[in-house]
Amino acid sequence: AQSVTQPDIHITVSEGASLELRCNYSYGATPYLFWYVQSPGQGLQLLLKYFSGDTLVQGIKGFEAEFKRSQSSFNLRKPSVHWSDAAEYFCAVDPHTGRRALTFGSGTRLQVQP
Amino acid sequence: DAGVTQSPTHLIKTRGQQVTLRCSPKSGHDTVSWYQQALGQGPQFIFQYYEEEERQRGNFPDRFSGHQFPNYSSELNVNALLLGDSALYLCASSLNGTDTQYFGPGTRLTVL
Repeated sequence: AQSVTQPDIHITVSEGASLELRCNYSYGATPYLFWYVQSPGQGLQLLLKYFSGDTLVQGIKGFEAEFKRSQSSFNLRKPSVHWSDAAEYFCAVDPHTGRRALTFGSGTRLQVQP
Repeated sequence: DAGVTQSPTHLIKTRGQQVTLRCSPKSGHDTVSWYQQALGQGPQFIFQYYEEEERQRGNFPDRFSGHQFPNYSSELNVNALLLGDSALYLCASSLNGTDTQYFGPGTRLTVL
């Protein structure tokens, strides 16, 4: 079955530490891949996206993600976390089969300690 | 440039009632998608509208219906509300032929 998995429900890091949020997908072909961030009570903000080409993509707020076809993964990284990064992070895929509907993972809640 | 806007921000209804949520897409966008986000979960696709027609639909009952107007704005209607319909309803807009959706702040619906 097609799915998106974010294995970590909750992650706590110290301010200034590095961050990696995991995302794995299960689809027949490489889908379009997205990372969104949701602050409390807010909608979803697009951080970055991967369609094709260079497997390391840069996004806003200093985030980057690396697509690894062999591992069916699209992990989100940031070298140095700021307290304002505390939020819920969602990985999403678009199988681009014409359905044009995003499938989201269950999210990873990031807590930043001072 | 205004982003995606939704109204109302919050809504409280009782079981069995009907509700209408509204969405205005980002300027230049012609496609609107609706998602339901239950507490503690990721958003789930409800349906998508383009050229005033429902183009794709997720696994939601017929109680969920929608409409798109000539100015591309959209409404989501839910009939015979159930307690389980309590959620954050997100609207996303995009330009047909592109693959990036931009989300609004959502409408928080509480069903008592």
